[in-house]
Amino acid sequence: QKEVEQNSGPLSVPEGAIASLNCTYSDRGSQSFFWYRQYSGKSPELIMSIYSNGDKEDGRFTAQLNKASQYVSLLIRDSQPSDSATYLCAVTRGGYQKVTFGIGTKLQVIP
Amino acid sequence: EAQVTQNPRYLITVTGKKLTVTCSQNMNHEYMSWYRQDPGLGLRQIYYSMNVEVTDKGDVPEGYKVSRKEKRNFPLILESPSPNQTSLYFCASTPGLAGGYEDEQFFGPGTRLTVL
Repeated sequence: QKEVEQNSGPLSVPEGAIASLNCTYSDRGSQSFFWYRQYSGKSPELIMSIYSNGDKEDGRFTAQLNKASQYVSLLIRDSQPSDSATYLCAVTRGGYQKVTFGIGTKLQVIP
Repeated sequence: EAQVTQNPRYLITVTGKKLTVTCSQNMNHEYMSWYRQDPGLGLRQIYYSMNVEVTDKGDVPEGYKVSRKEKRNFPLILESPSPNQTSLYFCASTPGLAGGYEDEQFFGPGTRLTVL
């Protein structure tokens, strides 16, 4: 079992729809959770971080964390073609220990 | 401009020829890290450093060396590169406890390495 699992996609959604990206992790000691966006040929950039159970909203983005189910998700509302990228889930035990990334989900927003 | 820089950005080399990829950050971050990214395998951590002279292995350290003699620099050394080290490499830095956003990583632009 991989430590951090994501569906590689591609996930295709029409412009204006909600895109839902999911990630599960195996280490119950995980404390910090991140979503990074990576455009083709570019470096990852942070979209959201979440540390406690529940929802965290930032503009069109909402991260959801459920530590009991070892599940973290990212919702993108009103999806735009510019959101087309690969979204990477990253998990760490906190205090900057080893960071584990999922393989990423490729999102395609269709105009 | 606050940034992480890597050099070179592209490198083609031959098996066994020692090389160094440099990484530098100007944000006074405590933590630095190296990753490699391969299709189907995602980003995998090679080494990370919590402070000057403090480093630890990530998931795939074999064939790599690092050093952290100064806070701003974290070079990646391949002493005897092999074709299976052909990959896209990213350096990243993290503020650390003093920076507020303890765990957020800032990535460099990447170095595409080909070993023939």
